[in-house]
This record gives sequence, C-alpha cells and structure tokens, in this order.
Amino acid sequence: KAGVTQTPRYLIKTRGQQVTLSCSPISGHRSVSWYQQTPGQGLQFLFEYFSETQRNKGNFPGRFSGRQFSNSRSEMNVSTLELGDSALYLCASSLGGTSGGSNEQFFGPGTRLTVL
Amino acid sequence: GENVGLHLPTLSVQEGDNSIINCAYSNSASDYFIWYKQESGKGPQFIIDIRSNMDKRQGQRVTVLLNKTVKHLSLQIAATQPGDSAVYFCADRAPYNQGGKLIFGQGTELSVKP
Repeated sequence: KAGVTQTPRYLIKTRGQQVTLSCSPISGHRSVSWYQQTPGQGLQFLFEYFSETQRNKGNFPGRFSGRQFSNSRSEMNVSTLELGDSALYLCASSLGGTSGGSNEQFFGPGTRLTVL
Repeated sequence: GENVGLHLPTLSVQEGDNSIINCAYSNSASDYFIWYKQESGKGPQFIIDIRSNMDKRQGQRVTVLLNKTVKHLSLQIAATQPGDSAVYFCADRAPYNQGGKLIFGQGTELSVKP
C-alpha cells in the first residue's frame, strides 16, 4: 500500500505570494490533517479534513486554508506569504473514525517551504 | 504535549543501553497518547500508542508508560541501536467532544553512540 505523498517536496516563494500544497492520503483513509513544523515552535496542528469537511482547526490566521476532495486528497493554501511561514508542512492521513480507537496517523515526508 | 519553542532536549546513550524519553502533557482529559520518531528529512513515524485506560503498553523493544496522575508519558527503548537516533515526539489527543486535536510535545533528540 502506498504511503502518504506530498507535492511538491520543496518550494521557494517570496513574501506576498500565495502557495498551494497537495497531499494524497493512504488509500481508504478519509481523514487528512495538516501540521506546520518549525525549529522554534515544533509541530503545530493546522486543520483536519474528513469527508470533504473541515472537522478541526488549529490557531492559525485565515491566510491558511485547506480543502478536501471527494477522493480524500487534500490541498492547503497559504495566501500573502510572510517570512515566518517558512516551515516544513506535514500532512497525515488516518481512517478518521471517532469511535475513540487508536486512529493511527501516517505522515507524509512534508513540503519544505522557504519564503524569501 | 506542549510546544514551548525551546531548544530540543537531547539524550545521548551508548549503543546497547536502554533509553528513557519523558514527556509531560497538559490536558487531563486527553484519552489517547502516541509516540513518534522523526528522522532527518522525513515525516514523523508512528512508534507506539496507548489509551488512557492503560498505564503500560509494550511493543518491539519499546514500552510506553502513562501516569495520568502527574500527566506524564515516557518511552523506553531497550538495547538502543544507532538506527534509533532521531527526534522523538509525544502527542496527546483531546477527546472528540473537546475537538480531538493532537497536541505534540517539543521533541527529544536521541543520539546513540556506537
């Protein structure tokens, strides 16, 4: 079974631009979560999508948005990029049930975004 | 877990020794806990998990201990190997009636000396 894939792996943008990152979950997984990882702040939760609906949201400004398609693939968008948005953006997929079970998340390799 | 934005704690051990990595979490209602391993240039990789109704769970060479009284989680790695060198993160999940988000700890860098 193929793992979580993210594209592109590396991206360089300038301040003010916008960027779209893509995530393809493991086949059969319906939940996709996005995280931002920086040396200073660690791993921070951005949002979670399940069945094309945002189910959960972290404490990020509205410049950060996402969506999920009917095939569970997800995209996240960051508008009006700032220098501080430079980070590794990680996507994780899981089956997505809310029964209280383990619901293990599988992470992709991430997209390294550099804002100049 | 708490992302406190500080330098990563580091743990250096000799190959073959046992390693213990500790983590504190803040939400007493968290019902599920996970340890992840992240190697350089890769995404976090699931190691082991534990539910709040347990206090110990064992995997292959790894054991997770949960102390809900003091909100503490630990990961024990037996016979540590050079391939175990990585950053280790704990994460706790709030119950779904509180949003169900995973909150990650700051991470601990494990360095294994051959």
